Amino acid sequence: EAGVAQSPRYKIIEKRQSVAFWCNPISGHATLYWYQQILGQGPKLLIQFQNNGVVDDSQLPKDRFSAERLKGVDSTLKIQPAKLEDSAVYLCASSRPGRVKQYFGPGTRLTVT
Amino acid sequence: KQEVTQIPAALSVPEGENLVLNCSFTDSAIYNLQWFRQDPGKGLTSLLLIQSSQREQTSGRLNASLDKSSGRSTLYIAASQPGDSATYLCAVRDNYGQNFVFGPGTRLSVLP
Repeated sequence: EAGVAQSPRYKIIEKRQSVAFWCNPISGHATLYWYQQILGQGPKLLIQFQNNGVVDDSQLPKDRFSAERLKGVDSTLKIQPAKLEDSAVYLCASSRPGRVKQYFGPGTRLTVT
Repeated sequence: KQEVTQIPAALSVPEGENLVLNCSFTDSAIYNLQWFRQDPGKGLTSLLLIQSSQREQTSGRLNASLDKSSGRSTLYIAASQPGDSATYLCAVRDNYGQNFVFGPGTRLSVLP
């Protein structure tokens, strides 16, 4: 089966600009996760979707970050405006409902200058 | 709030050595613990999952143990190979939430 797809793989922007990342989960995986991984740290969950509903967004900086999963399949994560501290790898993962195992995409490396 | 630490931060060993990676967590009320591997520029790959009722799990040359009462887990890699070079992360899912809290990882280099 095809894995989790993410694009773009790399993005460089200036602070105060906006950026969007796209994720396509594995077919049939109703649960989708966005993580932020800062260099030298483990991934931190930003938001979890079950189909197109939000399950957990407690660690999402809602003043600048937003995410949507309109049709319960693809998802988009947006940052507006970006700050220097947003430089990180943004990982998308998906899983079957009620299953622990998450399948991760390759990530998008964001550099904010 | 659950916190996860990993020691050492980096490790370099010659090929063929057996090695141990350590993971510690502050809240012992965990649901399960998972070890992941992360290669540069790639996402995470699940290696082993230990439920809270289990003491260890094995897969090939990998063995993970769990001691809930002391808040520790170890990942043992036997007969290390250059292909084992990667960052290894442990993640804990506690009884209160649905998601994992990750440690910062141990960067392993196995030298040929």
